[in-house]
Amino acid sequence: GNSVTQMEGPVTLSEEAFLTINCTYTATGYPSLFWYVQYPGEGLQLLLKATKADDKGSNKGFEATYRKETTSFHLEKGSVQVSDSAVYFCALSDTGGGNKLTFGTGTQLKVEL
Amino acid sequence: GAVVSQHPSWVICKSGTSVKIECRSLDFQATTMFWYRQFPKQSLMLMATSNEGSKATYEQGVEKDKFLINHASLTLSTLTVTSAHPEDSSFYICSSAQGVWAEQYFGPGTRLTVT
Repeated sequence: GNSVTQMEGPVTLSEEAFLTINCTYTATGYPSLFWYVQYPGEGLQLLLKATKADDKGSNKGFEATYRKETTSFHLEKGSVQVSDSAVYFCALSDTGGGNKLTFGTGTQLKVEL
Repeated sequence: GAVVSQHPSWVICKSGTSVKIECRSLDFQATTMFWYRQFPKQSLMLMATSNEGSKATYEQGVEKDKFLINHASLTLSTLTVTSAHPEDSSFYICSSAQGVWAEQYFGPGTRLTVT
């Protein structure tokens, strides 16, 4: 079956530091890949997505590249801000499963001044 | 983005009672709604998919008689946990979409504690 593995948190960084949150996946077929962000007290929001190999999703300074050869979709940001503190979820949607999402366990990011 | 609300945001109930959780899409018509369950430090697990006006499709291992889902209108879906037990304590999250292939918009979640 499908699965998503992402690094455990919490990840604590100083403001303006470089961020990487690792995500690898297992899937049948050709999945679409997503990063969602959840701010305290709010619902998950779609941060970025990629639908095929070598696609790069980007939004709000965050980027992730769909790497089929390594089955990875690592999230990166060059300079984090305190306002980026949240929980980040990697997810996939299998082409054969409608829009059903399989999520990773989430990684909490804390950015300090 | 679209706004999805859940009510209540947290609820405590006694073992053996039933509790209803509402999920509303506030500014769009959601033909499809999804219900997820999240345990501490674990991923969101899809429980069921519901389409407006039809019966929900439950994921393997989810008891449909225990977790009753009603999607009676394009803006409201409800999840009723019947005869709740402490092991049903969890964080329940809904999402709404304008079709089974469309982007999902998530509610903030409901914390259920069964004592």
